[in-house]
Amino acid sequence: DTAVSQTPKYLVTQMGNDKSIKCEQNLGHDTMYWYKQDSKKFLKIMFSYNNKELIINETVPNRFSPKSPDKAHLNLHINSLELGDSAVYFCASQPAGVGTQYFGPGTRLLVL
Amino acid sequence: GENVEQHPSTLSVQEGDSAVIKCTYSDSASNYFPWYKQELGKRPQLIIDIRSNVGEKKDQRIAVTLNKTAKHFSLHITETQPEDSAVYFCAATPEGNNRLAFGKGNQVVVIP
Repeated sequence: DTAVSQTPKYLVTQMGNDKSIKCEQNLGHDTMYWYKQDSKKFLKIMFSYNNKELIINETVPNRFSPKSPDKAHLNLHINSLELGDSAVYFCASQPAGVGTQYFGPGTRLLVL
Repeated sequence: GENVEQHPSTLSVQEGDSAVIKCTYSDSASNYFPWYKQELGKRPQLIIDIRSNVGEKKDQRIAVTLNKTAKHFSLHITETQPEDSAVYFCAATPEGNNRLAFGKGNQVVVIP
């Protein structure tokens, strides 16, 4: 009955590899997000989708490509991983209108 | 866009004392102000929120106050306990905007 889930939970990989992180929400929310949280704990928004449509695209390297196959899923593909990509990536979802964002458990990415 | 600042960045309190974290925001159109708690290794979780039509909201040991004129809002934790030790994030957003502007977080340490 997990509301927002992410896979994998941990990801350790070499520089230059390509990897994907998946997110699913069963709350029926229309809007989903990807955030990056670095070692200083700042939550930096990366992307947002509303009903499969991209609505927020922050200044993120184009090595990062989000995909939303349906409104319950938002995936993040990262090409040519770099050391600076090491962080915790959180997915979140939000119901229509102004309201609470519900976060997934996070994916801890370590690039070696 | 909205800019949210949090002070202090780190706060240490003795168990049983009160803790207060203050946030300021820049956009007078903001009308929704949530607070998230993030324990070590966990996801951010909403603990309390307030909308601009009220000045104060309380939930057991936590309360939030809002001063729209001064554009600041504060989290108050009374009778602190060790499990209150966490990073606390404030956020703000205007009506109809899907983007939550997060502060940089406050590390609260409750000393037993």
